[in-house]
Amino acid sequence: SQQGEEDPQALSIQEGENATMNCSYKTSINNLQWYRQNSGRGLVHLILIRSNEREKHSGRLRVTLDTSKKSSSLLITASRAADTASYFCATAGSNYKLTFGKGTLLTVNP
Amino acid sequence: GAGVSQTPSNKVTEKGKYVELRCDPISGHTALYWYRQSLGQGPEFLIYFQGTGAADDSGLPNDRFFAVRPEGSVSTLKIQRTERGDSAVYLCASSSGLAGGIEQFFGPGTRLTVL
Repeated sequence: SQQGEEDPQALSIQEGENATMNCSYKTSINNLQWYRQNSGRGLVHLILIRSNEREKHSGRLRVTLDTSKKSSSLLITASRAADTASYFCATAGSNYKLTFGKGTLLTVNP
Repeated sequence: GAGVSQTPSNKVTEKGKYVELRCDPISGHTALYWYRQSLGQGPEFLIYFQGTGAADDSGLPNDRFFAVRPEGSVSTLKIQRTERGDSAVYLCASSSGLAGGIEQFFGPGTRLTVL
C-alpha cells in the first residue's frame, strides 16, 4: 500500500518558472525523502528532511515539512527542460522501509 | 562499481516460466532492498536484506517470490510460475546501513514483461 499522495498528478510549466509539488502522508515518520525518476527507470535521491526539520534547501530545491498536517512540499525554482521527470515523495518510519506515493509528472517546456 | 547495477535490463517471459533478476549493490553497502513498480505507480517495497539475511520479506506478494543474498553482496530475486500481473519494473536499492534517515541508492531496474 502507498503511504504518500502527491499533488498534482501532473504539472506542465514553462522553462524558468517555479514548480511546486505537494505530498501528504498518513502515519508518523522519521524522515521524508524526495526522489526523481526519468523514463520510468532508476530513482535519484534529491533531498531528505527529518521529522524535526521544517525546511531544507539544496541548490534550486526547497523542501518543507509540516508534521502537524502530515504534508510536505517540493519547490523547484527556475525550472529547466532537464527537470522534466516524475517526482516521488517517500516516507521512512523508525524502520528501514521507504513508502512511496504515486508521483507527480513534471513537464518543463522549453 | 560506482552505482547499483541490475541485470537484465529487460526480461520478456511467458506465463508460467521461472525468472531470476540480479542486483549488484554498491560495494560495502550492507543493506539491500527490492521494490516493484507498476505502470503509473510509485515503487512498492518487497524485501529488505541486512547482510546475508532477509530482515523483512513482508512485501513479497506470495510464495512464488523469493530472494537470496548468500554472500551479503549480490542479490537475486526469483519468481516462479510467472503471471501476467507480475509484469512491472523491479528496482533494487542499497544503503550503507539502516534506512531510517539514510539515503537509498537505486539501480536502473529490470523491466519484466510476462506474456
